[in-house]
Amino acid sequence: DVKVTQSSRYLVKRTGEKVFLECVQDMDHENMFWYRQDPGLGLRLIYFSYDVKMKEKGDIPEGYSVSREKKERFSLILESASTNQTSMYLCASSLAPPYEQYFGPGTRLTVT
Amino acid sequence: QQPVQSPQAVILREGEDAVINCSSSKALYSVHWYRQKHGEAPVFLMILLKGGEQKGHEKISASFNEKKQQSSLYLTASQLSYSGTYFCGTENMIKAAGNKLTFGGGTRVLVKP
Repeated sequence: DVKVTQSSRYLVKRTGEKVFLECVQDMDHENMFWYRQDPGLGLRLIYFSYDVKMKEKGDIPEGYSVSREKKERFSLILESASTNQTSMYLCASSLAPPYEQYFGPGTRLTVT
Repeated sequence: QQPVQSPQAVILREGEDAVINCSSSKALYSVHWYRQKHGEAPVFLMILLKGGEQKGHEKISASFNEKKQQSSLYLTASQLSYSGTYFCGTENMIKAAGNKLTFGGGTRVLVKP
């Protein structure tokens, strides 16, 4: 079974803090993705990576950056957290297209 | 731009049928369907590629009309386990590297006994 794990299920941070969300997959998938999920807005893509050290902006990259130094690990970085970044963050991975994406359990981030 | 899903929510009795629609303003290469149960991660249901393919998963099937740039998900003889939020994810014809999907806002389905 494909397993996608995320570093925390719940996280509370203060405004202005630097926040790291980590995602690890164990199936040698080329593609990895970071989404945020908000009620009524579905899943919105923040960034994705199709290879080590390669990254592409998604639909809402502002305020975020990413890092992929190893194939199995994809990190999402909030350089200076703001209250409007309070959300559920989901990581996913997949083989080369057009294969299905496998999602992690999510991290619920609250910025106060 | 996100694809538009309709309806936003639907309540069914066990055994009833429902249709969920997903419409895009862009030419599509593929449509993915996922289901997310409360408190869990989204789970893949099926992929439809351009060509009007119809696929099935249990008693859940889907169609893809590339001319109309839309897909429909059919829940047939619904079961309690079908409850959850359904998302369509669309992949544009003009693709970036990697299979980037754009997801709709979701359709909440509640199946009652």
